[in-house]
Amino acid sequence: GNSVTQMEGPVTLSEEAFLTINCTYTATGYPSLFWYVQYPGEGLQLLLKATKADDKGSNKGFEATYRKETTSFHLEKGSVQVSDSAVYFCASCTSGTYKYIFGTGTRLKVLA
Amino acid sequence: EAGVTQFPSHSVIEKGQTVTLRCDPISGHDNLYWYRRVMGKEIKFLLHFVKESKQDESGMPNNRFLAERTGGTYSTLKVQPAELEDSGVYFCASSQDLQGFGAFFGQGTRLTVV
Repeated sequence: GNSVTQMEGPVTLSEEAFLTINCTYTATGYPSLFWYVQYPGEGLQLLLKATKADDKGSNKGFEATYRKETTSFHLEKGSVQVSDSAVYFCASCTSGTYKYIFGTGTRLKVLA
Repeated sequence: EAGVTQFPSHSVIEKGQTVTLRCDPISGHDNLYWYRRVMGKEIKFLLHFVKESKQDESGMPNNRFLAERTGGTYSTLKVQPAELEDSGVYFCASSQDLQGFGAFFGQGTRLTVV
């Protein structure tokens, strides 16, 4: 069945460090891929998305590229801030369906 | 514009009791979804409404869970009787169409069964 695997956390970084959170997927068909973020005390927010191979989603300095050949959608940010501390979820949704398949979430903690 | 709103934000109940979670979707969104995250694991799909109709409830864990969406507006998810393994965060989401723009999620209800 379809699945999403993302790196275990927690990830602890110093401010201005480079961030990578790995995400790989398995799917029948061609899914859309998403990164959602949950800040403390808040709901899940859509961070970025990509709907087809080689698309790059970007928002708030975060980027992820849909890599069909490696079935990956790694999240990157060049310089993290304390305010980026949150839980990040990678998710897929196959075309023609409505069910999101989520990864387990990766907690990011950024230290000043 | 108001987002997806869930009530309560936290609930602590004893095993065997009943709890009802509520979700108010974004106005005009026909599609409403319930998801659950248990014990820090992945967020899993529970069910999907289109207006007042259940389109897919394949993710509902058992018959102790009952979801309704009266008049196609807000939705409730009742757990009766609650068991310890029901503890987790219950998310509601809504969308205008099935995909393409990403569903909008609420802040979740953290349910703790003791």
